[in-house]
Amino acid sequence: DAMVIQNPRYQVTQFGKPVTLSCSQTLNHNVMYWYQQKSSQAPKLLFHYYDKDFNNEADTPDNFQSRRPNTSFCFLDIRSPGLGDAAMYLCATSRDSTEHQPQHFGDGTRLSIL
Amino acid sequence: KQEVTQIPAALSVPEGENLVLNCSFTDSAIYNLQWFRQDPGKGLTSLLLIQSSQREQTSGRLNASLDKSSGRSTLYIAASQPGDSATYLCAVRTGGGNKLTFGTGTQLKVEL
Repeated sequence: DAMVIQNPRYQVTQFGKPVTLSCSQTLNHNVMYWYQQKSSQAPKLLFHYYDKDFNNEADTPDNFQSRRPNTSFCFLDIRSPGLGDAAMYLCATSRDSTEHQPQHFGDGTRLSIL
Repeated sequence: KQEVTQIPAALSVPEGENLVLNCSFTDSAIYNLQWFRQDPGKGLTSLLLIQSSQREQTSGRLNASLDKSSGRSTLYIAASQPGDSATYLCAVRTGGGNKLTFGTGTQLKVEL
């Protein structure tokens, strides 16, 4: 049973048209993360929530925002997608920040920009 | 700034062979190191996590080692099978932060 669920698996949007990617978890984990992975590159952390506390990475473009309305759901909003934002977007969770807790990933949403 | 390197970038082996994948990192002040598997077009599956105080972890045919002082980790796969074909990524969590810094992965192909 999938524990970190990302919808949709594939998303196509137009250049400049806002898009929202969704992540939900059944693990009741405190921490949720969004990573961006471009083709043949390493995943790169965009931001994460520890409970309701939002933590943005210094080099995450302003174009990317996130919302976490409750423990189970987290959304990635791209306000004005550019061609360079085409990538796989991975959501992950961890129970807390202690060193023995792994991060668990969903299957990702592949975003294409027309 | 933490940097993670994985060598080789790609590896092709015959079925049944034992193999080692390498991961190195520049900042030894890590919190933990995690090995993942990624199938084409899919997300990441966690394989093993080694805490900073540990030297190795084992799960089935997989064994991961950690030498923090030299900034190295290895993933040993015993008796490889075609189903092991995937990209293997290592990631380190540095200091007290939550961020994982990933390598670019080793693409493994196990041939019949």
